[in-house]
Amino acid sequence: QKEVEQNSGPLSVPEGAIASLNCTYSDRGSQSFFWYRQYSGKSPELIMSIYSNGDKEDGRFTAQLNKASQYVSLLIRDSQPSDSATYLCAVNSRYSTLTFGKGTMLLVSP
Amino acid sequence: ETGVTQTPRHLVMGMTNKKSLKCEQHLGHNAMYWYKQSAKKPLELMFVYNFKEQTENNSVPSRFSPECPNSSHLFLHLHTLQPEDSALYLCASRTGANEQFFGPGTRLTVL
Repeated sequence: QKEVEQNSGPLSVPEGAIASLNCTYSDRGSQSFFWYRQYSGKSPELIMSIYSNGDKEDGRFTAQLNKASQYVSLLIRDSQPSDSATYLCAVNSRYSTLTFGKGTMLLVSP
Repeated sequence: ETGVTQTPRHLVMGMTNKKSLKCEQHLGHNAMYWYKQSAKKPLELMFVYNFKEQTENNSVPSRFSPECPNSSHLFLHLHTLQPEDSALYLCASRTGANEQFFGPGTRLTVL
């Protein structure tokens, strides 16, 4: 059974701080890794994709991948109250399918 | 707006009703998906279609019946559902880089 594990949170950070979200996965053959943001009552929105070891930056977001440790993380710099949402980690398990974690709830307080 | 639309956005149905959910993508993708999202559970993959052919059925009960007439449209036909089927049903389409883009979802309530 392919698994993706995330701490359910909530992770509480003050406005302007760095939020660090973590995810581990069990399938060593996984090649594609994604972070989705989901606001309450809304559908998931893709915010980051990462395919190789190291860091990938996009604006205030940085995704980090370590395949040897089977670990992927998302850093959000200068966190804003509008970043408050549930963040889903997704990992490809077979070519055309993704396995999702349960998500980490992030709360950014003004 | 992701380029994936779903209708209806909300649906209330009795256990004896038959209804259909519709998904349309305007992104030119060739793969489409149905997911179920229940409270406090991870997204559950239901069906996958590649080039109109079903390539994945994740042990979904037969009361859910998918249909994919072309690469842009996907339906989920519902009949004799149970209250535990109440959930958010999400459609997604996929790029060649394995990125999936979701529609807004249909919030289904089964009475």
